[in-house]
Amino acid sequence: GAGVSQSPRYKVAKRGQDVALRCDPISGHVSLFWYQQALGQGPEFLTYFQNEAQLDKSGLPSDRFFAERPEGSVSTLKIQRTQQEDSAVYLCASSLLFVRGDDEQFFGPGTRLTVL
Amino acid sequence: KQEVTQIPAALSVPEGENLVLNCSFTDSAIYNLQWFRQDPGKGLTSLLLIQSSQREQTSGRLNASLDKSSGRSTLYIAASQPGDSATYLCAVPRDSNYQLIWGAGTKLIIKP
Repeated sequence: GAGVSQSPRYKVAKRGQDVALRCDPISGHVSLFWYQQALGQGPEFLTYFQNEAQLDKSGLPSDRFFAERPEGSVSTLKIQRTQQEDSAVYLCASSLLFVRGDDEQFFGPGTRLTVL
Repeated sequence: KQEVTQIPAALSVPEGENLVLNCSFTDSAIYNLQWFRQDPGKGLTSLLLIQSSQREQTSGRLNASLDKSSGRSTLYIAASQPGDSATYLCAVPRDSNYQLIWGAGTKLIIKP
């Protein structure tokens, strides 16, 4: 595909369930980002990968959140024992090589997670 | 700690008007500033990126300015069209240069 894709687009989970959100970045993009966007707010940084290496996970809100990118392409964001406060849109972005902050990030459409 | 604020939170104007969206940041030592557009269900699209050494960038009917000393950026949209209706967000990199700090956005509605 030409752009970043995410699946599922919508996810409803019962409190306590585990969920897995997938991101397919643009082919050849080295850098991959996950963001969390609450309703009416700007995105909040969660984590950053260069190839398969997770270089920064300082934005993950708790140890229930886990992200991986084992082969340096597709990434999965996993949330264990979901809570209502996890309800948000989860955005994935990729970049050719985001080194100095002046490389464009391309965003996927997001996954809207609703925890009941 | 860098904070990014966008005012107003929402704006509704008739088609054809020129308009200005505002973005302010608390720490003037930024590397660059970006403006994005967010359409419902379609993710974010980068509109303009202004380097810290630049004062403005233009793309079509869009013009973004940057005044680092006052901690402000504006996005000027000329001859607005209904298709411009979206949420507009600005963002600046954190010290690491790859973490972006975002404003909450301005929801723009252009009335036909």
